[in-house]
Amino acid sequence: AQKITQTQPGMFVQEKEAVTLDCTYDTSDQSYGLFWYKQPSSGEMIFLIYQGSYDEQNATEGRYSLNFQKARKSANLVISASQLGDSAMYFCAMRVYTGGGNKLTFGTGTQLKVEL
Amino acid sequence: DTGVSQDPRHKITKRGQNVTFRCDPISEHNRLYWYRQTLGQGPEFLTYFQNEAQLEKSRLLSDRFSAERPKGSFSTLEIQRTEQGDSAMYLCASSLGGAGGPREQFFGPGTRLTVL
Repeated sequence: AQKITQTQPGMFVQEKEAVTLDCTYDTSDQSYGLFWYKQPSSGEMIFLIYQGSYDEQNATEGRYSLNFQKARKSANLVISASQLGDSAMYFCAMRVYTGGGNKLTFGTGTQLKVEL
Repeated sequence: DTGVSQDPRHKITKRGQNVTFRCDPISEHNRLYWYRQTLGQGPEFLTYFQNEAQLEKSRLLSDRFSAERPKGSFSTLEIQRTEQGDSAMYLCASSLGGAGGPREQFFGPGTRLTVL
């Protein structure tokens, strides 16, 4: 079974600062993918960034980067130059590819608040 | 370009009534997923379709729940004899098929169900 752990229920960051949201995962499979989604108060889940288990370089997408440490089973999201619009719930999720798996397993999320 | 749409956005019902939700995926996506999200939690997988075939169901999907995707396009999720514990946000997502890789899932805005 797969498990995602997000230990930070809430985080505060000042505008223009960088922030790291923690995510650890547990799986015995070797082939998997890690995803981060943003959920604003409107409720829609917005895909941010992806990291494959065999990717050697950390993924980056604009202001988002993923700090992937495979041996520690962690996949932390780094948001640089925070903006007020970044205030939202952030979810880490995993998909295991062995056996053709398709479902995403989500963590409990981190509520990020960006302050002036 | 339209994303995933869901209807209705909100549904209030009395315990014991049946409800049906609809999801229209992104048109070229052959995979469709249903998730349930309760307050303070991440989404939990319910079921998954590839085209019209329902390929995976979670143990969360009790006998009172049924999902269909009759022509491989839109999908419906029906809950019979609703219970107060069914109150949640029901999220639909779609993705392209294929082995491995990101294949990120694109989520709809969700249907918020309240069972009185």
